[in-house]
Amino acid sequence: QVQLQESGPGLAKPSETLSLTCTVSGGSVSNINYYWSWIRQPPGKGLEWIGYIYYSGNTNYNPSLKSRVTISVDTSKNQFSLNMSSVTAADTAVYYCARARGSSWYHFDYWGQGTLVTVSS
Amino acid sequence: DIQMIQSPSTLSASVGDRVTITCRASQSVSTWLAWYQQKPGKAPKLLIYKASNLESGVPSRFSGSGSGTEFTLTISSLQPDDFATYYCQQYHTYLTFGQGTKVEIK
Repeated sequence: QVQLQESGPGLAKPSETLSLTCTVSGGSVSNINYYWSWIRQPPGKGLEWIGYIYYSGNTNYNPSLKSRVTISVDTSKNQFSLNMSSVTAADTAVYYCARARGSSWYHFDYWGQGTLVTVSS
Repeated sequence: DIQMIQSPSTLSASVGDRVTITCRASQSVSTWLAWYQQKPGKAPKLLIYKASNLESGVPSRFSGSGSGTEFTLTISSLQPDDFATYYCQQYHTYLTFGQGTKVEIK
């Protein structure tokens, strides 16, 4: 059974960089059949896709966030990570990592439990 | 951007009811559509992919249909465990979610 676990600071200061890591167990980020993704959900609101990465390092990002987001993968640690720069209060959300499957674009079959990141001074 | 609009936003129903949720896309997404169930404080759970394919382990009372711009999620007989918020997601061009439909107890 694949499991994903987000980790990282629960608090970020405005204008700084938010950094989160997702550790995958029960499966490999190097599996050629899957992509690995970040999705967020502001408190009481809906879901927003942030971006995804393939084991090779190929990425694709939500155009609305692309200028501030970097997703990377570490196959040796079976982890992938999110960096989001220049954060504001609008970036306060529960951040989920998820496994993505599909062909050209993807849906999500396994999710982490989510981690709340609050942006505040 | 492809916009996804769900209706209704909130639905009140009783155990045993047949429930239908609609998702409309601002342009055709073919059948590249998924449905998720989310309970408070939990991650979403995949129910349906490619519009009508039931994810492994999901009860058969859940079904999906549609293509192009209009899709439905149907719960044939609502169970106590089904009170939750449901989201559609298109994956035809980039990835976007609907705003959610909360199914609450009548």
